[in-house]
Amino acid sequence: GQNIDQPTEMTATEGAIVQINCTYQTSGFNGLFWYQQHAGEAPTFLSYNVLDGLEEKGRFSSFLSRSKGYSYLLLKELQMKDSASYLCAVPNAGNMLTFGGGTRLMVKP
Amino acid sequence: DVKVTQSSRYLVKRTGEKVFLECVQDMDHENMFWYRQDPGLGLRLIYFSYDVKMKEKGDIPEGYSVSREKKERFSLILESASTNQTSMYLCASGSPGQGAYEQYFGPGTRLTVT
Repeated sequence: GQNIDQPTEMTATEGAIVQINCTYQTSGFNGLFWYQQHAGEAPTFLSYNVLDGLEEKGRFSSFLSRSKGYSYLLLKELQMKDSASYLCAVPNAGNMLTFGGGTRLMVKP
Repeated sequence: DVKVTQSSRYLVKRTGEKVFLECVQDMDHENMFWYRQDPGLGLRLIYFSYDVKMKEKGDIPEGYSVSREKKERFSLILESASTNQTSMYLCASGSPGQGAYEQYFGPGTRLTVT
């Protein structure tokens, strides 16, 4: 089976840096996804990590440690539009994604 | 640009009604998925399909069925809607050869069963 944990809510200030953590347990690792979901909208793809280390994509970076079953999403220079839920997900066999409960990030002025 | 569309953004049905939620994707993806999303529970997979006329149960298939008669269309059916099926329903599609399991989501249907 698979188990994914991430904090329920986080608050940060505009212009700051925030790190959203995700821990997972899975049998057979096939990578880890991060999705962003604004309220009332569909999730959209942010990143996919399959190897250990940090992958940077503009203001967003994603880190993976397979040995620790741990990932984080790093958001720099926070903007108000970054207020959203951030979903961590891992695939199992057959292209099925198991999602964590999501972390709701609130960015304050 | 990948597009996944769902037939309705908002739907209100009565208990016991039969409900059809339609999903269409325009990227020739093999795989299609139906999820429901509830506060505190995240996204949970109901059913998925990896080919026309093929379907597999996800984590919470009870009370639902699906139909995939054409590659681009995947329907979720609630045979007899119940109040505990009030939820946000999200359809997604993906292809095994691209982005390793990446899925593209539709805008969602918020279903209320009264």
